[in-house]
Amino acid sequence: GAVVSQHPSWVICKSGTSVKIECRSLDFQATTMFWYRQFPKQSLMLMATSNEGSKATYEQGVEKDKFLINHASLTLSTLTVTSAHPEDSSFYICSARVGGTGANVLTFGAGSRLTVL
Amino acid sequence: DAKTTQPPSMDCAEGRAANLPCNHSTISGNEYVYWYRQIHSQGPQYIIHGLKNNETNEMASLIITEDRKSSTLILPHATLRDTAVYYCIVPVTGANNLFFGTGTRLTVIP
Repeated sequence: GAVVSQHPSWVICKSGTSVKIECRSLDFQATTMFWYRQFPKQSLMLMATSNEGSKATYEQGVEKDKFLINHASLTLSTLTVTSAHPEDSSFYICSARVGGTGANVLTFGAGSRLTVL
Repeated sequence: DAKTTQPPSMDCAEGRAANLPCNHSTISGNEYVYWYRQIHSQGPQYIIHGLKNNETNEMASLIITEDRKSSTLILPHATLRDTAVYYCIVPVTGANNLFFGTGTRLTVIP
């Protein structure tokens, strides 16, 4: 079946540094990928929709200059958390839609846990 | 997304059927019901979706009421590995993305 791979699965960084998270569709092409964030004991919150070859669409309240999204190919989207601070510590999850399935059948990555010290 | 209401938590004995309800009274005629689950510290996993007919796959069955205002996800023989948060989602027609509510935390008890 369709697989979405995220890397790294966990990362610890110092406050003020930038962290890049990669999301790859391994055996299918994804023109659209979605980035979610999940704080402890909370549900997933959609951050942005990543579109191959064009700018990402951010949800209200998500700072586009802080969470940089690049979708340069049909199999790779990256999320860069710039100048990370402790409040950015969270579980970041990407997903992609597999063609030929239902319109909202998404395959999710395993997530990337970010801890900012 | 159309609003959905799910109980916050449920328990189920291992080997028994788990029946997870979802209310979506404001659903429109052409909106589907999707179910996902999230096992602790993992990404969500698609389970099943349906419009108005009952659906079954290798993971679960989905029963949608005739008026489409509610549905039930059935795990026929729950195992410990089915312990997870289950999300019922009704995306807006044509919407390109999914919004997750709070879901139902199912605990399968040995």
